[in-house]
Amino acid sequence: IVLTQSPGTLSFSPGERATLSCRASQSVSSTSLGWYQQKPGQAPRLLIYGASSRAIGTPDRFSGSGSGTDFTLTINTLEPEDFAVYFCQHYGSSLTLTFGPGTKVDF
Amino acid sequence: QVQLQESGPGLVKASETLSLTCSVSGYLISSGYYYGWIRQPPGKGLEWIGTIYHRGTTSYNPSLKSRVTMSVDTSKNQFYLNLRSVTVADTAVYYCARDLDCGSATCPFEYWGQGSQVTVS
Repeated sequence: IVLTQSPGTLSFSPGERATLSCRASQSVSSTSLGWYQQKPGQAPRLLIYGASSRAIGTPDRFSGSGSGTDFTLTINTLEPEDFAVYFCQHYGSSLTLTFGPGTKVDF
Repeated sequence: QVQLQESGPGLVKASETLSLTCSVSGYLISSGYYYGWIRQPPGKGLEWIGTIYHRGTTSYNPSLKSRVTMSVDTSKNQFYLNLRSVTVADTAVYYCARDLDCGSATCPFEYWGQGSQVTVS
């Protein structure tokens, strides 16, 4: 399964709403889709799993949705600390994992 | 609190074997969960390398499978990565991680190490 995230960079201002897209090359279970945030020099941080469940510590301004081949990460009211790169990930039933190429949320 | 820490040489010669150790604290590997290695070349995205269960079951990225071996030592609470016949394309930050109990057979990684830069010369 190949994950596509486009565009590679999205530009916003603090306070705006950001909608990030992740498209799978074939239909996947919504229980197998996650989102990570990565800031420069840091390890990725799990935000969303199961397409829409927030990981512990994820602020409620982050929400995930989607099914089949199209998934979305929405960030309501962007905070300055939200400017980062976001990766989607598929984790298959046979212990295989795939990451999307990432979308950078920039000013 | 669960913490993971990668360790190993920062510089490896081409054609040799890259060996990394992940030390886990705050949780006993023998108690469960899956553990993985992920890498990130400079300025690029994330690439899953492989996953290991505490009992030794492994799953590898098909693109790396012929060169990768992962193992675990529950007595030391550590797991390991060996990547053979490295080239400059294997230069990356290597992360170890532990998965989340998400209720599915495979789950995303919840806990991550800080990453270990490995350069192949």
